[in-house]
Amino acid sequence: EVQLVESGGGLVQPGGSLRLSCAASGFTFSSYAMHWVRQAPGKGLEYVSAISSNGGSTYYANSVKGRFTISRDNSKNTLYLQMGSLRAEDMAVYYCAKGYVAVAGAHFDYWGQGTLVTVSS
Amino acid sequence: EIVMTQSPATLSVSPGERATLSCRASQSVSSNLAWYQQKPGQAPRLLIYGASTRATGIPARFSGSGSGTEFTLTISSLQSEDFAVYYCQQYNNWWTFGQGTKVEIK
Repeated sequence: EVQLVESGGGLVQPGGSLRLSCAASGFTFSSYAMHWVRQAPGKGLEYVSAISSNGGSTYYANSVKGRFTISRDNSKNTLYLQMGSLRAEDMAVYYCAKGYVAVAGAHFDYWGQGTLVTVSS
Repeated sequence: EIVMTQSPATLSVSPGERATLSCRASQSVSSNLAWYQQKPGQAPRLLIYGASTRATGIPARFSGSGSGTEFTLTISSLQSEDFAVYYCQQYNNWWTFGQGTKVEIK
């Protein structure tokens, strides 16, 4: 059974940093692209970032480019999102999602339950 | 960036009735279109990919159609568990989501 478990969310002050993790199991993690998607309270889904199966390619939404860094450790079956210069508008539930293939150009077939990031002073 | 526009924002339907949800892309995405269902407090769940292929375990009452810029998700006979928010997503040029359609009980 595929499982994706996010962690690392919490309360952070504006301008602060936070690192999210997503522990994967039930599939060959190193064979699939992975993604982060966020959802602000009461709002829709917003795409954040992607990383290819071997970590060689990454993609960022304009809203987070230069502030967030996606990475993965295939030996630990874990995906990361390092978030910096956090703003009030970054407050959201952050979901990790498994891509259907190794690289770009596919949908997401499994999602984690999400971790809440609150940005407030 | 490809903009995805869903309509209507809210759809009021009685159980057993048919629901038709629309999704329009600002430029062609071929058939690289997925639909997701999200219930309150839950993560999204994949329903349809490739515009018309049902994901594993998805009931036959869910169907998708369209290509290019116009897409439709149809729920043939709404069950109580189908009342939720539905999102379309294009993955032809990176990834973007529509703003969602809430299907509520009439």
